[in-house]
Amino acid sequence: TQLLEQSPQFLSIQEGENLTVYCNSSSVFSSLQWYRQEPGEGPVLLVTVVTGGEVKKLKRLTFQFGDARKDSSLHITAAQPGDTGLYLCAGTGGSEKLVFGKGTKLTVNP
Amino acid sequence: NAGVMQNPRHLVRRRGQEARLRCSPMKGHSHVYWYRQLPEEGLKFMVYLQKENIIDESGMPKERFSAEFPKEGPSILRIQQVVRGDSAAYFCASSPRGYGGMGNIKLFFGSGTQLSVL
Repeated sequence: TQLLEQSPQFLSIQEGENLTVYCNSSSVFSSLQWYRQEPGEGPVLLVTVVTGGEVKKLKRLTFQFGDARKDSSLHITAAQPGDTGLYLCAGTGGSEKLVFGKGTKLTVNP
Repeated sequence: NAGVMQNPRHLVRRRGQEARLRCSPMKGHSHVYWYRQLPEEGLKFMVYLQKENIIDESGMPKERFSAEFPKEGPSILRIQQVVRGDSAAYFCASSPRGYGGMGNIKLFFGSGTQLSVL
């Protein structure tokens, strides 16, 4: 079974601060996706990374896929209260099923 | 341009009753996935269906749980004789295509059904 470990589990910061959350595995994934989920709602896809070392930017969010395709990070610059939510990484490997990590619960305080 | 519609949003059942969760995929999507989420947990894959076919049910408990996606109508996740451990949020997602390069598939999730078993 391929597992994705996300850290930290919880993160509370002030508006304007920068942060990085991590998604790690001992397995190689053919691709990784990042989702954001708000309370009472379903996850919304933010990005898909497929190439080792790939970096993608989405406004203030920067996503990186590790060279070995076993890990990924999400960096948020100048966090805003609207960034609050549960950030989930999900990967596909040999089984092709999308496997989710447990998520990082981010709170950005005004 | 409606997204994935799930109903009911909240469902309360007593132990031993049946729960039926419905999911209407986005227009033009013929692939449906069901996930279960416990508090402070990620989403656990349950089953993947294409119209009238179950493609992968490896994440679904062998007993009491079943799923269908008929030619007409929504996909249904059915839980018979519910127990307290079934209490969770159940999410449905749809996509225009399925496995085979799934990494590039974009899943569109519904808002979920929160099942509470008393």
